[in-house]
Amino acid sequence: AQSVTQLDSQVPVFEEAPVELRCNYSSSVSVYLFWYVQYPNQGLQLLLKYLSGSTLVKGINGFEAEFNKSQTSFHLRKPSVHISDTAEYFCAVSGPGGSEKLVFGKGTKLTVNP
Amino acid sequence: EAEVAQSPRYKITEKSQAVAFWCDPISGHATLYWYRQILGQGPELLVQFQDESVVDDSQLPKDRFSAERLKGVDSTLKIQPAELGDSAMYLCASSWTPVSYEQYFGPGTRLTVT
Repeated sequence: AQSVTQLDSQVPVFEEAPVELRCNYSSSVSVYLFWYVQYPNQGLQLLLKYLSGSTLVKGINGFEAEFNKSQTSFHLRKPSVHISDTAEYFCAVSGPGGSEKLVFGKGTKLTVNP
Repeated sequence: EAEVAQSPRYKITEKSQAVAFWCDPISGHATLYWYRQILGQGPELLVQFQDESVVDDSQLPKDRFSAERLKGVDSTLKIQPAELGDSAMYLCASSWTPVSYEQYFGPGTRLTVT
């Protein structure tokens, strides 16, 4: 079975600073990896996904993530954050083929301060 | 843009009462998911439908929770009787196929049990 660990529960940053949200996964088989964003009192929106191929994945809103198989990590990065990026971010994993259920981490609350 | 609709958005109920949530997926989406998101945690899958059939309800507390999707379109999730520990956000999602990364989430129903 797969599992996900998000290493930071809260990350405060100043506007226009870079940010990295860390995610490690555990699986005995190859996996698909995802980052979702959740704004207050809203559902989840897919930011980006890694299925195969290039280990650097670009998503919406200027976010990108890098899949590192040897370190079993899938960290999310943005070079310059905006106030509007304040939200909860969830890393998720599913088994190969995508038909297995999504397993989510506990989330990282990103707060961007002026 | 088509969206997943959920109602009500907020629900307060007393313990031991019955409560129901409704979800209308994006038109044409055959797969429907119900998740529970406890405060401070990531979503956890409760039940997955393919058309009107349940394909995964392994995490659904069947002594008090029930879910149906009678015509393979909209769905209802019911809790009877509600317990204090059921306070959470209940998210509905849908997808064209069971490939889970293509899920689209609704805004959720926030349940508070007093």
